[in-house]
Amino acid sequence: AQSVAQPEDQVNVAEGNPLTVKCTYSVSGNPYLFWYVQYPNRGLQFLLKYITGDNLVKGSYGFEAEFNKSQTSFHLKKPSALVSDSALYFCAVRDPPGRRALTFGSGTRLQVQP
Amino acid sequence: NAGVTQTPKFRILKIGQSMTLQCTQDMNHNYMYWYRQDPGMGLKLIYYSVGAGITDKGEVPNGYNVSRSTTEDFPLRLELAAPSQTSVYFCASSYSSGQGDYGAFFGQGTRLTVV
Repeated sequence: AQSVAQPEDQVNVAEGNPLTVKCTYSVSGNPYLFWYVQYPNRGLQFLLKYITGDNLVKGSYGFEAEFNKSQTSFHLKKPSALVSDSALYFCAVRDPPGRRALTFGSGTRLQVQP
Repeated sequence: NAGVTQTPKFRILKIGQSMTLQCTQDMNHNYMYWYRQDPGMGLKLIYYSVGAGITDKGEVPNGYNVSRSTTEDFPLRLELAAPSQTSVYFCASSYSSGQGDYGAFFGQGTRLTVV
């Protein structure tokens, strides 16, 4: 079965510093990977995806993610954190063809301090 | 576009009561999903549908039922509410694959408390 793991419940970073939110995956075949962000009392919003191609993918709000096949990782990054980036971040992997649902990690809360 | 719309936003149920969570999307997406989100647990798939008239179970279907009579609507039914069903419920839809794949579009959620 496919799965993703987010090893950190919370990440704290100072405003202006780079941030990394970690995600590792376990899939059979080629992975389709996604990052979503959830603000309080809101639904999940798409940030970026990796389907194929360049290992560094760029997404919304200045976020990017690095796909590493040998380490089965898909870490979310941003060069300079903003207080407004504080939210809950989810990594997800697309199911095999047929169901096309997403399997989510447990989420990582990002706290950016002023 | 409204995207994915869920109603109600909040609801308190007594044990044993039933209710239907409504979900509608206006993007003509074939695929629709219901997830529940429990604290620290991420999102778990309850049911999904690949098109009108076709539904199937996800990881946590017990205590729930769904129907998909139209492309737009995908209601989730709780027949006998239990405290274990206290959660935030998200409806989502998707269509494209490959480079046009944006994963899924989510509604804003329904916060359900069973007391």
